[in-house]
Amino acid sequence: DAMVIQNPRYQVTQFGKPVTLSCSQTLNHNVMYWYQQKSSQAPKLLFHYYDKDFNNEADTPDNFQSRRPNTSFCFLDIRSPGLGDAAMYLCATSTGGGRQETQYFGPGTRLLVL
Amino acid sequence: AQSVTQLGSHVSVSEGALVLLRCNYSSSVPPYLFWYVQYPNQGLQLLLKYTTGATLVKGINGFEAEFKKSETSFHLTKPSAHMSDAAEYFCALGATGTASKLTFGTGTRLQVTL
Repeated sequence: DAMVIQNPRYQVTQFGKPVTLSCSQTLNHNVMYWYQQKSSQAPKLLFHYYDKDFNNEADTPDNFQSRRPNTSFCFLDIRSPGLGDAAMYLCATSTGGGRQETQYFGPGTRLLVL
Repeated sequence: AQSVTQLGSHVSVSEGALVLLRCNYSSSVPPYLFWYVQYPNQGLQLLLKYTTGATLVKGINGFEAEFKKSETSFHLTKPSAHMSDAAEYFCALGATGTASKLTFGTGTRLQVTL
């Protein structure tokens, strides 16, 4: 089945220690998104890639970076995690064909910062 | 500007009772609307979406939603709740611009009791 895969499902890191979260897709979609979701809140878009074009949301902290080496993979790098960065991180994909297109979400990676 | 309002952060129903989750939107262009469900520690899964055409949209797991332009609403219903329906539900609006971005509501947590 075509899908969005996130690894690991749970990640523990130390305060200030860089961490990378991984997302891969078999849908061959043009767009890949990274969301941060804190407890009992809606997902908050951090950035997205449309093909190789990177698009940062205006309020995304500089501490968050992303890489998309090819169509299938996208990485979220947190350079110096703080306690406030503990959250669920969701990856999603879409064809990018317009407002009517569905986003397909991965299962998420829950990040704990000690 | 676009926005989505979900009335009721928590809704509790008895098993077998009607489920009604409310969503109102504001959009300066014809809206494309989505309902997603999120089970604990999981990603978001599409329940249904409205693009154009029939205003009553049927989705997975027995859910449906009706688009009412005059009321700017897209409420989600299910005739008979099941324990497995307990989850967080998000209404979303396809945002203007490229890359199929979404504007999410704040979510409604559905509790189903015996």
